[in-house]
Amino acid sequence: EAQVTQNPRYLITVTGKKLTVTCSQNMNHEYMSWYRQDPGLGLRQIYYSMNVEVTDKGDVPEGYKVSRKEKRNFPLILESPSPNQTSLYFCASSRDTDTQYFGPGTRLTVL
Amino acid sequence: AQSVTQLGSHVSVSEGALVLLRCNYSSSVPPYLFWYVQYPNQGLQLLLKYTSAATLVKGINGFEAEFKKSETSFHLTKPSAHMSDAAEYFCAVRGSFGNEKLTFGTGTRLTIIP
Repeated sequence: EAQVTQNPRYLITVTGKKLTVTCSQNMNHEYMSWYRQDPGLGLRQIYYSMNVEVTDKGDVPEGYKVSRKEKRNFPLILESPSPNQTSLYFCASSRDTDTQYFGPGTRLTVL
Repeated sequence: AQSVTQLGSHVSVSEGALVLLRCNYSSSVPPYLFWYVQYPNQGLQLLLKYTSAATLVKGINGFEAEFKKSETSFHLTKPSAHMSDAAEYFCAVRGSFGNEKLTFGTGTRLTIIP
């Protein structure tokens, strides 16, 4: 089954404790992206990747890091999480001009 | 820069009534336009997309949208609302090839009144 998976689905952590949210797709897509969803703001892009070893900032990259060492994986790293990073996070993937497929989301709470 | 504006953060319609969710876009290049739906506690699912072919686009679950360049609009409609249509709907715009970034609207929560 074609899908985008994210782990964990739910995470509660404390300020400053490094964490990684994993994202994996099995569709051999070149393009992958991370978004955060906040009430009243819709989805905002954090980082995206056009292919392996090619990443770039989206609209709200501050406080986040990403890497793309393999085509299928695109982890999101929060090196020192803060409460304003409490949000719902989505990973998405697509071929170059095709529809983006979204993962199920990761709900992060930073205390 | 590209952007979308969704008019109305909350829309309520009676079951069986017409659903109309509004989206206006701004783009410096011919846009790719999308409508996504998010059911409670789920990820986003594509409803339909416009990619410069037919201006009237049909999607899943009986939804359709019409691209109107003169009005820079891409409104989503469904002739008869069903209880299962209750969800949040997002309009999104993407630039042409080489710029795959999706820019989302702030969303419209659709409530269906029995």
